[in-house]
Amino acid sequence: QSALTQPRSVSGSPGQSVTISCTGTSSDVGGYNYISWYQQHPGKGPKVMIYDVSKRPSGVPDRFSGSKSGNTASLTISGLQAEDEADYYCCSYAGSSTFVFGTGTKVTVL
Amino acid sequence: EVQLVESGGGLVQPGRSLRLSCAASGFSFDDHAMHWVRQVPGKGLEWVSGLTWNSLSIAYADSVKGRFTISRDNAKNSLYLQMNSLRTEDMALYYCVKTTGDRSFDIWGQGTMVTVSS
Repeated sequence: QSALTQPRSVSGSPGQSVTISCTGTSSDVGGYNYISWYQQHPGKGPKVMIYDVSKRPSGVPDRFSGSKSGNTASLTISGLQAEDEADYYCCSYAGSSTFVFGTGTKVTVL
Repeated sequence: EVQLVESGGGLVQPGRSLRLSCAASGFSFDDHAMHWVRQVPGKGLEWVSGLTWNSLSIAYADSVKGRFTISRDNAKNSLYLQMNSLRTEDMALYYCVKTTGDRSFDIWGQGTMVTVSS
């Protein structure tokens, strides 16, 4: 149950796109299409932005998108906005009813 | 309004026990798997434990296996986490979390803080 690997930080200017990677193993990310992404603003609880690799919950802007290739999942934020500045965590189902989160990525809007 | 409200956190000495509770409202509690996720302030999220709607499937992170016990009472719309043999590394904000489709977490409580210190 090792944490999934994410970059510590990514940054972009308003309007640009940023992509956050989430690398695991064939026992988690690569083995299941149950990848979710969470946004967390300082002092707030996490909010689901993507589930089942690429599905967006109602109310999440379509500039958030998710994908997966092999053992690596990705979250892309297109048309970056000031309110997107937050911490982002990936999460993968890891079999036997267990889950594993990523190490977290701080997104900075320049 | 869908809501999860945790309680039971506090200051406890190493080796002692604590029981967290989570009161659910605004949705059909017994239709969903439920989980506990923790976060050390300023650090990342860590999945702790989860169980299916009928408690037939229960899972724990290796870091808490054998010390923590998750349970639920569907009649009371409540989720619990019994934490025994607490360690300083268990100190964190504990979130109660509802699943959607049993594979992602769509509703989070506000968290209850557990401090383990002598």
